[in-house]
Amino acid sequence: DAGVIQSPRHEVTEMGQEVTLRCKPISGHDYLFWYRQTMMRGLELLIYFNNNVPIDDSGMPEDRFSAKMPNASFSTLKIQPSEPRDSAVYFCASSLSVIDYEQYFGPGTRLTVT
Amino acid sequence: ILNVEQSPQSLHVQEGDSTNFTCSFPSSNFYALHWYRWETAKSPEALFVMTLNGDEKKKGRISATLNTKEGYSYLYIKGSQPEDSATYLCAPNRSGNQFYFGTGTSLTVIP
Repeated sequence: DAGVIQSPRHEVTEMGQEVTLRCKPISGHDYLFWYRQTMMRGLELLIYFNNNVPIDDSGMPEDRFSAKMPNASFSTLKIQPSEPRDSAVYFCASSLSVIDYEQYFGPGTRLTVT
Repeated sequence: ILNVEQSPQSLHVQEGDSTNFTCSFPSSNFYALHWYRWETAKSPEALFVMTLNGDEKKKGRISATLNTKEGYSYLYIKGSQPEDSATYLCAPNRSGNQFYFGTGTSLTVIP
């Protein structure tokens, strides 16, 4: 398996623009997680899905952020409109379980909003 | 928000030294604890998943213990090598659906 795939790897956009980050989990993994890494707060869980259904989105910072998982092999994290404070590395991870199985992380998307 | 504390925040050790660091978390409603290793410019990689009080896990020179009653886990590295330099994150899972990462311990092994 190729592991968790994220695209794009780098994104530079201007404030106010819409940004869409994409993730393909490992085949067979029922759980998909979106994280954000910042200097101030470390690795934050934004939202996670089980069998394509959002289970916990309490980490989503505000209404400008939305995430979808239309099928078992694809998820998107959208920011609209983007702001400079959204600049961070966004990781996607997948797992067989939310409790007792390790998560496999993608390479991350480095987002810069100018 | 789950109060996960990792200590120390950072440490430097000489190659060949053994070291350990701590992850503390609320003991109530504990389900599991994950340890991850995160090298600079890479993605976190799983080291251990621990669920039972008294669990001990080992992978090469790295091992971990778990005390769920008092809410802590230790990670040990024996005979540190420069390639062990990374940030080590712990992530307790509480109530089956709350999952929070600590801010990590940054380890630098000096050759």
